[in-house]
Amino acid sequence: GAVVSQHPSWVICKSGTSVKIECRSLDFQATTMFWYRQFPKQSLMLMATSNEGSKATYEQGVEKDKFLINHASLTLSTLTVTSAHPEDSSFYICSARAYEGHRSYEQYFGPGTRLTVT
Amino acid sequence: DQQVKQNSPSLSVQEGRISILNCDYTNSMFDYFLWYKKYPAEGPTFLISISSIKDKNEDGRFTVFLNKSAKHLSLHIVPSQPGDSAVYFCAASVYTSGTYKYIFGTGTRLKVLA
Repeated sequence: GAVVSQHPSWVICKSGTSVKIECRSLDFQATTMFWYRQFPKQSLMLMATSNEGSKATYEQGVEKDKFLINHASLTLSTLTVTSAHPEDSSFYICSARAYEGHRSYEQYFGPGTRLTVT
Repeated sequence: DQQVKQNSPSLSVQEGRISILNCDYTNSMFDYFLWYKKYPAEGPTFLISISSIKDKNEDGRFTVFLNKSAKHLSLHIVPSQPGDSAVYFCAASVYTSGTYKYIFGTGTRLKVLA
């Protein structure tokens, strides 16, 4: 159980366009989802926390107008990178936390999305 | 301000021997610690966790030790297998702004030599 999927797994887009990444919890309801970014050979940096039905909470230094997060349902959160630039190229990973049947501090990670902006 | 540190970026161990991965933290408010294994271009996979009120947790070949006074935890893998080769992240959980958040270390790349 506790499977999290992401789509797409990789995407290449042109500078100035927007890209949407989906994160789904497949077999549990996730009231909270997290979005991380990983640069090569670096740690996972938390970008934002999203709760179903409310606005996302962004970490310091993350532009909320650039990285739009929508947590529309208990199984889906989306991250939209708006007006993407080459410096936005990175590996984006989502995670989801379930409450029922799971300890509240455990997060289950998706497989990640590799974004390349040309 | 790196609150969770893994000072060894890489580690090589012979198959069958013990692998010891270390992690140090600075925030005494962390209440749970977790270890994740990660392959390139994949999401992290949960390995083992430990509550801040315990000093040891064991699961098969994996054992995590916590020394709260030293703000140090370690992951022991015995015996190490080639399939264990991956990047290992330690993470610390803290309850803040109404939710639990994870702070990740920078990772240690483990290579188990056959």
